[in-house]
Amino acid sequence: QSVLTQPPSASGTPGQRVTISCSGSSSSLGRINVNWYQQSPGTAPKVLIYTNNRRPSGVPGRFSGSKSGTSASLAISGLQSEDEADYYCAAWDDSLNGWVFGGGTKLTVL
Amino acid sequence: QVQLQESGPGLVKPSETLSLTCAVSGDSVNNHKWNWIRQPPGKGLEWIGYIDYSGSTNYSPSVKSRATISVDTSKNQFSLKLSSATAADTAVYYCARSIEGWELYDSTGFYYFDYWGQGTLVTVSS
Repeated sequence: QSVLTQPPSASGTPGQRVTISCSGSSSSLGRINVNWYQQSPGTAPKVLIYTNNRRPSGVPGRFSGSKSGTSASLAISGLQSEDEADYYCAAWDDSLNGWVFGGGTKLTVL
Repeated sequence: QVQLQESGPGLVKPSETLSLTCAVSGDSVNNHKWNWIRQPPGKGLEWIGYIDYSGSTNYSPSVKSRATISVDTSKNQFSLKLSSATAADTAVYYCARSIEGWELYDSTGFYYFDYWGQGTLVTVSS
């Protein structure tokens, strides 16, 4: 069972805006930074967002992140078919002294 | 460009030791932290542990008693050994680099996995 909780699935139509949530306890998410990874079928995960809302170079601006209290969110605007993938939140948990991942959210583009 | 490549047996017998190596190019294993992460078929990601530039290691409590991560600086690679393998260890194993530091423009800290290997499937079965 993941320390970080994500909905197992999400969906949207092309052009739509979708959000994926990631929630944790105050001992995990409350004081720490969240990263988001995209895993397209059959490939390794790729970082989309780090430190809650920062985008690495090369990641399109339609991907954005936010964090408030013990909940973080990934938003994808202008949804495209190639966005169909699994999305994971992750954070370094000081209390566990290790990395924790959310269970992942499978995004379907209808 | 940093590249990581996992290698090792794709099939391991129960109770034996699972051994994998990650070859690194484009960076030195003397920099940053080098991680192992696994993903059972159809499931989510699980961090196994890392070795850092000083050779210090840190493991997930779920595998701590069975896992050993080591580094070979002469070959610029690092390895994972997982003893007493069971079917529950069947997974795609990824090696990944993690970077941490402070943004120059606003001093905000960052720590994340920035480069990953392609992954290798290890099946534990007799």
